[in-house]
Order: sequence, then C-alpha cells, then structure tokens
Amino acid sequence: AQKVTQAQTEISVVEKEDVTLDCVYETRDTTYYLFWYKQPPSGELVFLIRRNSFDEQNEISGRYSWNFQKSTSSFNFTITASQVVDSAVYFCAPPNYNQGGKLIFGQGTELSVKP
Amino acid sequence: EAQVTQNPRYLITVTGKKLTVTCSQNMNHEYMSWYRQDPGLGLRQIYYSMNVEVTDKGDVPEGYKVSRKEKRNFPLILESPSPNQTSLYFCASSLGRGGSGYTFGSGTRLTVV
Repeated sequence: AQKVTQAQTEISVVEKEDVTLDCVYETRDTTYYLFWYKQPPSGELVFLIRRNSFDEQNEISGRYSWNFQKSTSSFNFTITASQVVDSAVYFCAPPNYNQGGKLIFGQGTELSVKP
Repeated sequence: EAQVTQNPRYLITVTGKKLTVTCSQNMNHEYMSWYRQDPGLGLRQIYYSMNVEVTDKGDVPEGYKVSRKEKRNFPLILESPSPNQTSLYFCASSLGRGGSGYTFGSGTRLTVV
C-alpha cells in the first residue's frame, strides 16, 4: 500500500531563514508523480509543483526548490529566505492510479514564518 | 482564466435539509473529484468521475451523491445532511487521472447544525 509521510507537523522560523519540508512516499510503483500544495490561512489549495520519480534533478522556481532522492523516496521542498506570506500548511500528495488517480495527501506541515 | 469554481463558499444549514454544492471547471478536464478536509483526518476523497456519466466512490462516500451530466459540472449533493458532514469541501479537476496535476476550487465551508 502507498503511504505518504510528512514527519514535521509544525515548523516555526524567523523571516529570511531557509526552511526545508520533508516528504517520504513509500510505494511499490517504480514510476510515479508527486505534487506539492500550499494551503494558506484563507483555506484554498494552491498547486506548487509536480515532480516525477524518474527525474532526480533539483528544480528551482524563485525562492522555492525541490529535491528528490529515489533511494530514500524523499521529496523535499526548500524555501529560501522565507517570508511571512509563506506561512501556510504544505502538503505533498501523489496520485494513486490504482484508485482512480486519487490524491494521497500527507498529514501536512504547518509552516509559521515570524517577522 | 482556467479555474474550478465552487459555490457557495460558506453554508450553514440544518440537519436533514437537502443541499447541493456546485462545482464547475472551464478547462475541459475529464477527471473531477470531491474531497473533504477535517482536523486530524486530513483530506479524504468522497467521489470521483473519470468522464461524463462515469462516477465512482472514494474513501468516504456515505451520505453523499454526485452526478456528471456535463463535462464541466460535478455537483455534490447531500440529501439529508447531518452534523458529522460539517467540513471543508474541495472540488478538483484534472486532464487525466492525475499525472497532469489537479486544480482545486476555493473550497466550501459547510456547517450542519
């Protein structure tokens, strides 16, 4: 069975610090996708990025970067120079193709960035 | 603008009074689904639809109905709402079964008293 683990329940940092959010996806599938979503206090789910299991290159978009290590099934998300507006709950979520593409959401990591 | 539109954003209703939460997408996506989000339980899928007239149960379908008569619309129906259906509901759509990513609506916060 697939399992998504976001071990960090809450993280608190001071503005301008770098912060890394961890996600481990256990599956027997050899190829898969994984998405990261952001849920700010207003409640909506905002798509951040799609990663796939056959690309271990880091991906960078502005202050965001993503790192995938297949050996440990870890999809890590780093925010560089964090800002107060980054305060949100972050979810990693792979689709389960054996169940109609349902997203398997991790428990989420609540990031609080203090000024 | 490509988007998924849910209505209403907020709803307070009484036990047993039928209600419908609407969901519409303008991206010609085949795949649509409903999730509910509850503290401590996370996000769970209620129903999904892989195309017009094709729907299937997710993890927590009890007490809900859906229909997919048109590609763009996927309403969620609560025939007889109960307090345990108080939750934050999200509609999502995708081009396929997830590989291309999901777009979520803004959410509907439902309270059943």
